[in-house]
Amino acid sequence: RKEVEQDPGPFNVPEGATVAFNCTYSNSASQSFFWYRQDCRKEPKLLMSVYSSGNEDGRFTAQLNRASQYISLLIRDSKLSDSATYLCAVIFVASGGSYIPTFGRGTSLIVHP
Amino acid sequence: GAVVSQHPSWVICKSGTSVKIECRSLDFQATTMFWYRQFPKQSLMLMATSNEGSKATYEQGVEKDKFLINHASLTLSTLTVTSAHPEDSSFYICSAPLAGGPDEQFFGPGTRLTVL
Repeated sequence: RKEVEQDPGPFNVPEGATVAFNCTYSNSASQSFFWYRQDCRKEPKLLMSVYSSGNEDGRFTAQLNRASQYISLLIRDSKLSDSATYLCAVIFVASGGSYIPTFGRGTSLIVHP
Repeated sequence: GAVVSQHPSWVICKSGTSVKIECRSLDFQATTMFWYRQFPKQSLMLMATSNEGSKATYEQGVEKDKFLINHASLTLSTLTVTSAHPEDSSFYICSAPLAGGPDEQFFGPGTRLTVL
């Protein structure tokens, strides 16, 4: 069973739409949560951290639900430039005490005119 | 944010040769770095954790003798793909947390390896 699950999409939405992505994780020892954006043939870049209290940055809102073990990303007023793959990342504590980052396979977003 | 570089950005090699990829933290020290492999339209798969001054920790299914990792300094980790074969062709990316611990990862720009 994959540790971090995401719907691969693609989500195909018009400009201005609101779109939401979810991500579930299986390891209850997970400590930190992030959303990354990855453009084609590029490295992932941090979009935002995710907290239980929620985190908002402009048009982007991220939320963590520890009880249900999922994180979400909401994008409002989608722009063409938002087209990318969105990866959720979870960092959990391994048995030896080290921190291990684990990524979902990413959700593809296509914003069209 | 922190800057991580990788070299080379792309490489084409013949089957059977070895390829070394460097990952450097340019403006911070990284006692831990992570190496990933990503096939087209697939997720980032963690290959190993590179630990400065000690042996790397490999994920299940990753051959340590094929993917040699050396983390000789606080700013440099290297991944050597030994006896590369066409199925090793992939996008290899490294990352490092700024301060260790469960922090956000800063990624290198990746190395695209093509084995003929």
